[in-house]
Amino acid sequence: EAGVAQSPRYKIIEKRQSVAFWCNPISGHATLYWYQQILGQGPKLLIQFQNNGVVDDSQLPKDRFSAERLKGVDSTLKIQPAKLEDSAVYLCASSRQGEKLFFGSGTQLSVL
Amino acid sequence: GENVEQHPSTLSVQEGDSAVIKCTYSDSASNYFPWYKQELGKGPQLIIDIRSNVGEKKDQRIAVTLNKTAKHFSLHITETQPEDSAVYFCAAFRSGGSYIPTFGRGTSLIVHP
Repeated sequence: EAGVAQSPRYKIIEKRQSVAFWCNPISGHATLYWYQQILGQGPKLLIQFQNNGVVDDSQLPKDRFSAERLKGVDSTLKIQPAKLEDSAVYLCASSRQGEKLFFGSGTQLSVL
Repeated sequence: GENVEQHPSTLSVQEGDSAVIKCTYSDSASNYFPWYKQELGKGPQLIIDIRSNVGEKKDQRIAVTLNKTAKHFSLHITETQPEDSAVYFCAAFRSGGSYIPTFGRGTSLIVHP
């Protein structure tokens, strides 16, 4: 089966600009996760969806980050405006029953 | 919420040696403990997992042990090979889509030929 698809693979922007990431989970997976991974650290959960409802977004900086999951399938994560400290890899993952997570390759964001 | 501590942060071994990575968790309700391997430029990939009703699980050269009483679990890699070099992450959470997977900070394993 196809894995989790993410795009773009890399993105370089200047601070205060906006950026959007896209994720297509594995077909049939109800749970979708967005993680932020800063260099040298473990993944930190930003938001978790169960179908198209939000399970947890307590660590999402809501003044600049937003995310949606349309029709319980694809998802987009947006940052507006970006800050230097947002430079990180943004990982999308999905799972069928909230157990085994399958990750995409991630989007590496550099904010200059 | 859950808090996962992982040690060591870096582990350097010679090819053929064994490697052990340890994690502790705080939430006694956690019942699922996966281990992920992340190679450079790629997303984490699940390599082995264990549920709270099992004390040990083995898959070829890798094994995971769980001590529920002490709230710690470990990854064991035997006969290490250069291709085992990567960053390894542990995680702990309650299974089911309504619970939040929490990851450790990662261990960079370097296997010298």
